[in-house]
Amino acid sequence: KNEVEQSPQNLTAQEGEFITINCSYSVGISALHWLQQHPGGGIVSLFMLSSGKKKHGRLIATINIQEKHSSLHITASHPRDSAVYICAVSPYNTDKLIFGTGTRLQVFP
Amino acid sequence: NAGVMQNPRHLVRRRGQEARLRCSPMKGHSHVYWYRQLPEEGLKFMVYLQKENIIDESGMPKERFSAEFPKEGPSILRIQQVVRGDSAAYFCASSPNLDTEAFFGQGTRLTVV
Repeated sequence: KNEVEQSPQNLTAQEGEFITINCSYSVGISALHWLQQHPGGGIVSLFMLSSGKKKHGRLIATINIQEKHSSLHITASHPRDSAVYICAVSPYNTDKLIFGTGTRLQVFP
Repeated sequence: NAGVMQNPRHLVRRRGQEARLRCSPMKGHSHVYWYRQLPEEGLKFMVYLQKENIIDESGMPKERFSAEFPKEGPSILRIQQVVRGDSAAYFCASSPNLDTEAFFGQGTRLTVV
């Protein structure tokens, strides 16, 4: 079993829909990251959080440390949001990130 | 302040050749991380370096792979005698301190033919 699990693996939405991507992890962490990767492109850091909730534009990330769970929400989705969204965790006392396998999102006009 | 710069963006090597991947961290960042993304797989940690020191190389294959981050110049990931299985996207990330947000480069896509 992977230490970081994401769901769903693939997600299709119509423009304007509200989207939720989930991430569960099994290790103690100091922080959780949400990343975005466009096809053939680089990786962009969206959020780094260790508690509560963060918002940036139409993106919202939440984390529940007790339940070892995080969600990434996209409000009013747009075709340009189409990308792979990756959850990654920074375990305690380590210097490396452990990544989920990503959620591939396609938003159609 | 330019972001993390990786070059080349694309690299084609024949089996048995050497591949050198370069990463220039963001200005003021002294922590560099290398990750590998195999086709249709998630990202995997390879190595963590600070200036002139390898801090954690637990994700590096034992043979053919090496990394450095000299006092001057970019960090280099070196793969000797490449094989087809080395074909992947290699990403570099940098951060100013441990436990702070890391910024990623555009990656180098290595193809071994």
